[in-house]
Amino acid sequence: DIVMTQSPDSLAVSLGERATINCKSSRSVLSSSNNMNYLAWYQQRPGQPPKLLLYWASTRESGVPERFSGSGSGTDFTLTISSLQAEDVAVYYCQQYYSTPLLFGPGTKVHIK
Amino acid sequence: QVQLVQSGAEVRKPGASVKVSCKASGYTFTSVALHWVRQAPGQSLEWMGWINGGNGDTKMSQKFRGRVTITRDSSASTAYLEVSSLTFEDTAVYYCARNVEWAFPILDYWGQGTLVTVSS
Repeated sequence: DIVMTQSPDSLAVSLGERATINCKSSRSVLSSSNNMNYLAWYQQRPGQPPKLLLYWASTRESGVPERFSGSGSGTDFTLTISSLQAEDVAVYYCQQYYSTPLLFGPGTKVHIK
Repeated sequence: QVQLVQSGAEVRKPGASVKVSCKASGYTFTSVALHWVRQAPGQSLEWMGWINGGNGDTKMSQKFRGRVTITRDSSASTAYLEVSSLTFEDTAVYYCARNVEWAFPILDYWGQGTLVTVSS
């Protein structure tokens, strides 16, 4: 199984400031066949189901604001919120889809400082 | 627009079974897979398995094989998750989620969730 870890567990950021979340996989999720990273990011607001933000590590889902961006390759990935808004208060999860079982990270809780 | 509407909350005793439904609309049900993911209170997301909406083939997480069944009724655009031999550790919100239309297991639309409580 490809196990996912995230850091930090929790993050307090002032409105308008940058938030950075890290995700690490126990094995590479970079495919040699298409040179793509099989890594997605989800946002889960309180009391809501998860929402897809990014896939292929850096491709924004339709309708996701440009302040959300993803980077990284292989085993180390980052989700960045460039200018935190009040509606971004949520838990963020990374997920690998390189192999089954599909595993999610433990989540990073983002709140306002 | 794509919608996944799940059945309501359930309470079961340990050892019982529960069946949760997920009705899809706004897309061709038989064209994509549907996944089931659960979330215990205060915990992360746990993938359970998926079902091909077209041919009904399933792929399960090893953890749940033998105790969890995923089925679908394509004529009703509905998928089902049945969990048997429930324990307290099965208390969770159970979500169905649609696979993106271009095959890779990325989950682009989610149901509202069904709370299953196991209590004696």
